[in-house]
Amino acid sequence: QQQVKQSPQSLIVQKGGISIINCAYENTAFDYFPWYQQFPGKGPALLIAIRPDVSEKKEGRFTISFNKSAKQFSLHIMDSQPGDSATYFCAAGVSGTASKLTFGTGTRLQVTL
Amino acid sequence: GAVVSQHPSWVICKSGTSVKIECRSLDFQATTMFWYRQFPKQSLMLMATSNEGSKATYEQGVEKDKFLINHASLTLSTLTVTSAHPEDSSFYICSALPGGRTYEQYFGPGTRLTVT
Repeated sequence: QQQVKQSPQSLIVQKGGISIINCAYENTAFDYFPWYQQFPGKGPALLIAIRPDVSEKKEGRFTISFNKSAKQFSLHIMDSQPGDSATYFCAAGVSGTASKLTFGTGTRLQVTL
Repeated sequence: GAVVSQHPSWVICKSGTSVKIECRSLDFQATTMFWYRQFPKQSLMLMATSNEGSKATYEQGVEKDKFLINHASLTLSTLTVTSAHPEDSSFYICSALPGGRTYEQYFGPGTRLTVT
């Protein structure tokens, strides 16, 4: 019940296209949903995060869509660029549990020219 | 802001020896830090939660006597891998939670440990 399922495992998108990564969860107690970007050999960097009281959050080219009833959330990267090529992890957390995060399995995004 | 550093960035040690990894929050105080382990092309696995001034809380299956965690100050947590084995070779990443916040973890750059 603590799992966060992430898909696809890998994704190839042309420059300028839209990259979409999906995550699903079971634990309805989750109330914080961040996305992290990780480049090879580096630590993850927080991209954007959402709370369940909103259905969408946008920051620049990155948008999180959240569907509470379906227990799903997704990351959309608009106008994808080669510099966006990285591994993306979704995560979920529960307030009051020492802020621990449960991570998805990751999506390796490659943006081609 | 919210910068977390780790030292060393990579380390090679021999089997049976111990190695210490430091995690520092550079521009904020962190009452809580987390230690993760990541194998190649895999997700992050939480090893333990470290709270300043108290004992760390280890995740199920993580040997607390092998992975010693100390959070002696609001800006420093250390992970010591004792009696290292080749199976301990991995990428170790820490994260820190700024004081007063309950969600936003900021990650360090990671430490690549190779045990020969």
